Amino acid sequence: DTGVSQDPRHKITKRGQNVTFRCDPISEHNRLYWYRQTLGQGPEFLTYFQNEAQLEKSRLLSDRFSAERPKGSFSTLEIQRTEQGDSAMYLCASSLPPGGGWNTDTQYFGPGTRLTVL
Amino acid sequence: DAKTTQPPSMDCAEGRAANLPCNHSTISGNEYVYWYRQIHSQGPQYIIHGLKNNETNEMASLIITEDRKSSTLILPHATLRDTAVYYCIVRPSTYGGATNKLIFGTGTLLAVQP
Repeated sequence: DTGVSQDPRHKITKRGQNVTFRCDPISEHNRLYWYRQTLGQGPEFLTYFQNEAQLEKSRLLSDRFSAERPKGSFSTLEIQRTEQGDSAMYLCASSLPPGGGWNTDTQYFGPGTRLTVL
Repeated sequence: DAKTTQPPSMDCAEGRAANLPCNHSTISGNEYVYWYRQIHSQGPQYIIHGLKNNETNEMASLIITEDRKSSTLILPHATLRDTAVYYCIVRPSTYGGATNKLIFGTGTLLAVQP
């Protein structure tokens, strides 16, 4: 399978613990996105990388959250001092840049990591 | 904020065509219409997108009205596995390869009935 992969698929942790999620994008996709989805809502954007550069961060990404993409391939999302409100599905997506001129990129999503904070 | 309006839920009989509407009355000339779906507990799956013309692929057809203020996603022969939340998203195009995030609403829950 050459799609976006995420690890782990499920994580249960206690409040106050740190957690780290990993995303492996589709090979050769240089753009990588993180989203968060709570129950009954659509996904919400967290942050975006182009290669190793983090180019955009949402206000949802508090200072307890940090994302990296050190070599422009896989990415990690770390949450420090987890809170019960962090319980959600964390989704990763990747894309290729669009062609020249006015255009858009099509993002392909992984299966997500479901975080439960007790 | 999402720029689209979708019904919260719809039913469709298995084997029949499912027609999912989306209203995007404030769409501007350089904005694309994208459709994704999300089967329970899975990541969103890209279906199709279009700018002005109708589009078709192996999964679905996208019909965009001439004034571009609304569109319809058509699943020609719905199966039980098509039961999912379907999201209609309007995205501006960007020049020179810049990107932009997807802004999801709450979508339409399509229930395909046997």
